Amino acid sequence: DAGVIQSPRHEVTEMGQEVTLRCKPISGHDYLFWYRQTMMRGLELLIYFNNNVPIDDSGMPEDRFSAKMPNASFSTLKIQPSEPRDSAVYFCASSLHTSTDTQYFGPGTRLTVL
Amino acid sequence: RKEVEQDPGPFNVPEGATVAFNCTYSNSASQSFFWYRQDCRKEPKLLMSVYSSGNEDGRFTAQLNRASQYISLLIRDSKLSDSATYLCVVNRMDTGNQFYFGTGTSLTVIP
Repeated sequence: DAGVIQSPRHEVTEMGQEVTLRCKPISGHDYLFWYRQTMMRGLELLIYFNNNVPIDDSGMPEDRFSAKMPNASFSTLKIQPSEPRDSAVYFCASSLHTSTDTQYFGPGTRLTVL
Repeated sequence: RKEVEQDPGPFNVPEGATVAFNCTYSNSASQSFFWYRQDCRKEPKLLMSVYSSGNEDGRFTAQLNRASQYISLLIRDSKLSDSATYLCVVNRMDTGNQFYFGTGTSLTVIP
């Protein structure tokens, strides 16, 4: 079975540009999570969805960040405009039926904002 | 105060050694506990859940102390392949079932 798929794997962009990260969860999983990982702060939950509906977005740092899940097999995380402090690894994860089920992580997108 | 705190290490141990990591959590409302493993430049993967009575999976033993609010992971007979970062994770029902990850403890097993 394919795991969680993320694209792109690496993104280098300039400050002020729009960045869109993509995620395809494991088929049949009801929950999708977006995390950001940095050396200083570790893994931080940004937002999560249940059956395509955003449940908790309290971790989204600023209005520059937005996330959508238009259907069960696709989600995007958008940063507009991007800033150097947004540089991090962004992980998408999915879990089966509850938010306490095992979370399966994608390979991550390594974002560098110059 | 951070939700979850771990000693970042690094822990450098010889093959065959026993090593233990501790993790403390700040909120008594925490309900579920896990250890995840993350290899260098890879995604985190579930290593094991932590149950109140303690649980074992091969060379790995996890324990929970609710009174003192800490979780431990013991690795016996360390293998080179155990080298990774170990993330302590807690889940709180009162914040919408959020997962809180520690920043991880780095382990290197030396031949």
